[in-house]
Amino acid sequence: GENVEQHPSTLSVQEGDSAVIKCTYSDSASNYFPWYKQELGKRPQLIIDIRSNVGEKKDQRIAVTLNKTAKHFSLHITETQPEDSAVYFCAASTGGFKTIFGAGTRLFVKA
Amino acid sequence: DTEVTQTPKHLVMGMTNKKSLKCEQHMGHRAMYWYKQKAKKPPELMFVYSYEKLSINESVPSRFSPECPNSSLLNLHLHALQPEDSALYLCASSQAPGLLAEQYFGPGTRLTVT
Repeated sequence: GENVEQHPSTLSVQEGDSAVIKCTYSDSASNYFPWYKQELGKRPQLIIDIRSNVGEKKDQRIAVTLNKTAKHFSLHITETQPEDSAVYFCAASTGGFKTIFGAGTRLFVKA
Repeated sequence: DTEVTQTPKHLVMGMTNKKSLKCEQHMGHRAMYWYKQKAKKPPELMFVYSYEKLSINESVPSRFSPECPNSSLLNLHLHALQPEDSALYLCASSQAPGLLAEQYFGPGTRLTVT
């Protein structure tokens, strides 16, 4: 079945630096790739998503890139702030009902 | 209203108890989901309802029984649970099945089985 691998599992950066989280997926039929942020004790919340007909999408300090050929997609956060500290999950969906999540990346932004 | 609500926030139950988790959304979404999340793990899909009909059951044990009474409500009935079932249970909804759209998550019910 579909599998999503996410790296790194933990990422520590200095405030103001950039953070990059990478994911690979196995099902070539996947066509929707959301990224969720989950703060401690809170619900997962969508921060950005990308569809398979787009290679890159940006929203202020957050960008996502998609390489369909290599089945890779990445999250880029620039000018990181302490409030960016959280667990980030990538996910892949074939546009039906099932969304498969990566294992998560715990991001620490040091002030 | 762009929120999914869940009750209760916390639940402690014994292995012989019967309890129910409730989820509600008023966004007109026609797909609703139950996920189980263990500590430091991603959400794991349990059930999907599409237009109030069960569409996906991810081989979940029968001690978990979902119900969708109407398009706004989703229940998860619990019976004879095991301690390993202790987890955060998340409900989510999205516009409609098949659409490439965001899932909105509720705050979750933290379940402890003693």
